[in-house]
Order: sequence, then structure tokens, then C-alpha cells
Amino acid sequence: DGGITQSPKYLFRKEGQNVTLSCEQNLNHDAMYWYRQDPGQGLRLIYYSQIVNDFQKGDIAEGYSVSREKKESFPLTVTSAQKNPTAFYLCASSTTGGLAYGYTFGSGTRLTVV
Amino acid sequence: AQSVTQLGSHVSVSEGALVLLRCNYSSSVPPYLFWYVQYPNQGLQLLLKYTTGATLVKGINGFEAEFKKSETSFHLTKPSAHMSDAAEYFCAVSPTGNTPLVFGKGTRLSVIA
Repeated sequence: DGGITQSPKYLFRKEGQNVTLSCEQNLNHDAMYWYRQDPGQGLRLIYYSQIVNDFQKGDIAEGYSVSREKKESFPLTVTSAQKNPTAFYLCASSTTGGLAYGYTFGSGTRLTVV
Repeated sequence: AQSVTQLGSHVSVSEGALVLLRCNYSSSVPPYLFWYVQYPNQGLQLLLKYTTGATLVKGINGFEAEFKKSETSFHLTKPSAHMSDAAEYFCAVSPTGNTPLVFGKGTRLSVIA
């Protein structure tokens, strides 16, 4: 079945450590997105990519980095520069040509700083 | 910049009662509008969407929403709440359909037996 797979489901980070969250899709979608979810804050856009080897910053990109070397994959790295990384991270994808069909979401990664 | 306002961070209804979750948006052009549902520790699932055409849209699980341009609203309704409807609901907008979705802060729906 087609879908988006995020891994791991739970991730623990020590202070000063970089961690990478995986997002893989087999929907043949061109566009992929990373959102951060905090209680009472809704979803805030971190980065998005509409084509391989190209990506744009969202509203809260500081302390995060991404790559888009393959159409299927859009990993997110949470760097040590991100001072408050504890959150639920959601990856999504959509078809080319816009959002007529909305997003398909992964099941999320919960990141906790220890 | 576009924004989405969901009135009420928490709504509580009795089982069998009407569900009404409010969403207002700001957009300079007719937008693409969406409602998503999220169950605990899961991703979001699309309930329904408005892109063009009929302003009353029907979605899954008996939900529907009406796009009212004059009121810049896209409220979500369901005639009769079920216990399984308890979840968090997000309204989202994209002004052009080619820009990333902007989400509201969400409304948590509780259903009381």
C-alpha cells in the first residue's frame, strides 16, 4: 500500500546532539513537507520541497536542516542550534500541481530532549 | 500573510448532539480549505476539502462543512456526535493551492456519554 513512513516513532536527544528524522513516501508525490506540532500551537511549517534537490524554508526553519536527494525521501536534521526541539514532528506529501487533494501525512516522530 | 483562526481550543458535546467546530481564515483570494482530524500520537487524516464548485462539502464519518466567502468561514459540522469522534480537529488553508498549508491551532473535541 502507498503511504508515508516516518521513523523512528520515538526519539531521544541529548543536549548538543544532532538527530535525523526519516521520512519516506511511495506515493510518487513531488512535494514533501515537515511540520512541527506543539500543544496548543497547531502545526508550524519547518521546510518544504516541491522538487528533488530543491527546498524552501518555512516559518520556523532555524535550527533545522533538510535534504532532498531522492523523490521518495525528505530527511529532517534537528541540529544542536535548535534550543527547544522537544515536539511532535510530522512529514507530509502532496501531488504536483497543487493541493487539490490535500496532504498525506505520516504517523509522526516524537522527539524528546533528555 | 494568510492565517487561520479556530474558535475554541476545546469543545465538549454530548453523544448524539450537534458538533460545530468553527474556522475563519484570512486570504486575499478564494482559498483551498481543508479539515483534518488527528487521534492521539498519530498523523492527520483528511476529513474534507473545498477547492472549487459547491460550497457545501461532505466528508468522511458524516462530517460536512460550508464555505462562506462573505464570512471568510469554513465551519465543520456533524448532526450527531459519536464517541469515536473524540479527537483533535485542524482547519487549514492554502491561498493558491500551490503554497503550503497554513494550519489553525486546533480544536479538541470531547464527546460525553
